[in-house]
Amino acid sequence: EAQVTQNPRYLITVTGKKLTVTCSQNMNHEYMSWYRQDPGLGLRQIYYSMNVEVTDKGDVPEGYKVSRKEKRNFPLILESPSPNQTSLYFCASSKGQGLQPQHFGDGTRLSIL
Amino acid sequence: GQSLEQPSEVTAVEGAIVQINCTYQTSGFYGLSWYQQHDGGAPTFLSYNALDGLEETGRFSSFLSRSDSYGYLLLQELQMKDSASYFCAVRNYGQNFVFGPGTRLSVLP
Repeated sequence: EAQVTQNPRYLITVTGKKLTVTCSQNMNHEYMSWYRQDPGLGLRQIYYSMNVEVTDKGDVPEGYKVSRKEKRNFPLILESPSPNQTSLYFCASSKGQGLQPQHFGDGTRLSIL
Repeated sequence: GQSLEQPSEVTAVEGAIVQINCTYQTSGFYGLSWYQQHDGGAPTFLSYNALDGLEETGRFSSFLSRSDSYGYLLLQELQMKDSASYFCAVRNYGQNFVFGPGTRLSVLP
């Protein structure tokens, strides 16, 4: 089954404790992306990757890191989480160019205390 | 900067037709996409317009006018299951995506 898998689905942690949210896709998609979703603000892109070893900042990259060492994986790293990073996070993937549909994971709800 | 605007809420009754508008301020983009998101779920792709005009996919249609910086999603024969949030989005030539704030559609019996 074609899917984007995120882990964990839920996480409650404390300020400053490094965490990683994993994302994996099995569709051989070139493009992968991370979004955060906050009430009234829609989905805001954090980082995206056009292919292996190619990453770029989206609209809200501050406080986040990503890596793309393999085509299927695109982890999101919060080196020193802060309460303003409490949000719902989605990973998505799509074929490389144009308006190819994005396939989203089920989401990760992060609470930073 | 780049931004998209949508109405925050729309309400309609079963069987009716509803139009969700999206206006944008951006340039150099591939086109306009639409996504649906049910409460507690992930966004799912509905349609896209690379060119101006109307695209029809079953009960859903989407429209784009680049000259007016405007698009809309048209939902016909509304069903209760259409109650969800709907997002317009653009993919810029710089390869980033920008989403609108979303429109919450409530379908009443």
